[in-house]
Amino acid sequence: DVKVTQSSRYLVKRTGEKVFLECVQDMDHENMFWYRQDPGLGLRLIYFSYDVKMKEKGDIPEGYSVSREKKERFSLILESASTNQTSMYLCASSNGGAETQYFGPGTRLLVL
Amino acid sequence: QKEVEQNSGPLSVPEGAIASLNCTYSDRVSQSFFWYRQYSGKSPELIMSIYSNGDKEDGRFTAQLNKASQYVSLLIRDSQPSDSATYLCAVLGSSNFGNEKLTFGTGTRLTIIP
Repeated sequence: DVKVTQSSRYLVKRTGEKVFLECVQDMDHENMFWYRQDPGLGLRLIYFSYDVKMKEKGDIPEGYSVSREKKERFSLILESASTNQTSMYLCASSNGGAETQYFGPGTRLLVL
Repeated sequence: QKEVEQNSGPLSVPEGAIASLNCTYSDRVSQSFFWYRQYSGKSPELIMSIYSNGDKEDGRFTAQLNKASQYVSLLIRDSQPSDSATYLCAVLGSSNFGNEKLTFGTGTRLTIIP
């Protein structure tokens, strides 16, 4: 069974903290993605990775960085969390292109 | 102009009727189109993909694509209360470096009324 897991379902952090969101997939997928989802704005792509140690900026990369040291793991880093980064964060993976993207359960982050 | 546009709804449809969800996109070269369903508090799951002009049927779901009009739709026949969800249209395009990525619409919230 396809599985994408995320390290936390809910997270509360303080402004200025460094935040790590972890995503792991067990499908040997090449591509991994980080999105945030906000009411009225839909799903927006933050960063994606098409290979180990490779990354590309999505539509809203400002304030975020990523790390992909192993094929199965893709981390999203908020270097200095701000209140406008309060959101639902969704990780996804796929074997590329027109293949299905499988989503993790999401992490709801609140920055106070 | 948004790259992928959907009516946010809410769209209310009586149980047993046909629900029609619409999506337009701006990138003429797009070739692959997807419909995801997202229940409240859950993550999106793929329900249909379509790559060629015309209709594609899968059970109660039919996806329709018209590349000339840059329009893709999803029909749900014999709507059930369990179809109540937000439906996300997604279009596959290329990044600045040629890697493929999905662009999502903001979603249409569908409510099936028993």
